[in-house]
Amino acid sequence: EIVLTQSPDFQSVTPKEKVTITCRASQIIGSALHWYQQKPDQSPKLLIKYASQSFSGVPSRFSGSGSGTDFTLTINSLEAEDAATYYCHQSSSLPHTFGQGTKLEIK
Amino acid sequence: QLQLQESGPGLVKASETLSLTCTISGGSISSNNYYWGWIRQPPGKGLEWIGTIYYSGGAYYNPSLKSRVTISVDTSKNQFSLKLSSVTAADTAVYYCAGQSNTSCFSVWGRGTTVTVSS
Repeated sequence: EIVLTQSPDFQSVTPKEKVTITCRASQIIGSALHWYQQKPDQSPKLLIKYASQSFSGVPSRFSGSGSGTDFTLTINSLEAEDAATYYCHQSSSLPHTFGQGTKLEIK
Repeated sequence: QLQLQESGPGLVKASETLSLTCTISGGSISSNNYYWGWIRQPPGKGLEWIGTIYYSGGAYYNPSLKSRVTISVDTSKNQFSLKLSSVTAADTAVYYCAGQSNTSCFSVWGRGTTVTVSS
């Protein structure tokens, strides 16, 4: 099973800051890495697919990069509505696995 | 616009079988573009993939749950279902159904349904 480790677990940030969340895979997964945003009491929403492809309707301030084992989600000019928990997910091999999540708090 | 909605009992007794259904609207379960999956999230914890099925019936499951899980499709009702047997308190979670693009990312999610296992 591929283990995904996100860092940090928690981050408190101010609006307009640039935020970087990393996800490291325990094995090489190519670009089969996806990012989701989950707000309290809501279902997760797909932000980025295949490491760097923005999903339809996602604001341009969200971007992804990386390949192999190391991946990054970047949020440029953070907005208050971005307060959420962010998860990475790999679909390279079964079973599908998720990172433990990164909770963003807006100051 | 494709929408998914989970339904089923919110309370299940320990040792019994949890049964949930996901109803698809705004699209067909027989779409070539989607596989259909179940994911769960225990209270205050992260996401766990349970399993995925294609409309033709081929399914694959998380090995950690495989002995207790069955996912099936009813094309006549545009639904797919989850059965999890011999439940314990550890199976208490929010259960999500989702549309999975070509076995990769989960691009469409239901709102989730909370299932509590009582002793």
